Amino acid sequence: KAGVTQTPRYLIKTRGQQVTLSCSPISGHRSVSWYQQTPGQGLQFLFEYFSETQRNKGNFPGRFSGRQFSNSRSEMNVSTLELGDSALYLCASSLGQTFGDEQFFGPGTRLTVL
Amino acid sequence: QQQVKQSPQSLIVQKGGISIINCAYENTAFDYFPWYQQFPGKGPALLIAIRPDVSEKKEGRFTISFNKSAKQFSLHIMDSQPGDSATYFCAASMTGANNLFFGTGTRLTVIP
Repeated sequence: KAGVTQTPRYLIKTRGQQVTLSCSPISGHRSVSWYQQTPGQGLQFLFEYFSETQRNKGNFPGRFSGRQFSNSRSEMNVSTLELGDSALYLCASSLGQTFGDEQFFGPGTRLTVL
Repeated sequence: QQQVKQSPQSLIVQKGGISIINCAYENTAFDYFPWYQQFPGKGPALLIAIRPDVSEKKEGRFTISFNKSAKQFSLHIMDSQPGDSATYFCAASMTGANNLFFGTGTRLTVIP
């Protein structure tokens, strides 16, 4: 069974630009969560989507948004990039039918904002 | 505000030794406590998880000890191996939400 895939793996943008990251969950998984990982703040939850609906949201500004498609693939968008948005963005998928089921993480997208 | 506090930040252990990583939480609504292992360039991978109805869970060389009254839980790695060298994260979540609150991570180095 293929794991969680994220594209692209690396991305370099400049301040003020916007970026879209993509995540394909494990087949059969309907929940996709996004996390930001930085050396200073660690791993922080951005949002979770289940069956195309945002089910939970972390404490991030509105510049961070996401969506989920009918095939459970998810995209995350960051608008008006700031230097502090440089991070590893991780996507995790799970069956999602019960809370607390195992979340499988992808390798992440390394975003660098110059 | 860090919802899950993890220590130590780094740990060096001899091969064959026991690695112990500790975590503490405040929110009594947390009812799922997983541990993740992350290698450089990879996403975190679930190692072992526990719920508050048990005080200990063992899977191979990895054991979680859970103290509900103290709101603490720890990971013990027995017979530590160089291949265990990685960053370990504790986490917590609560019923009704899938979002994980992570500790700050422990970088484990196992010396041959």
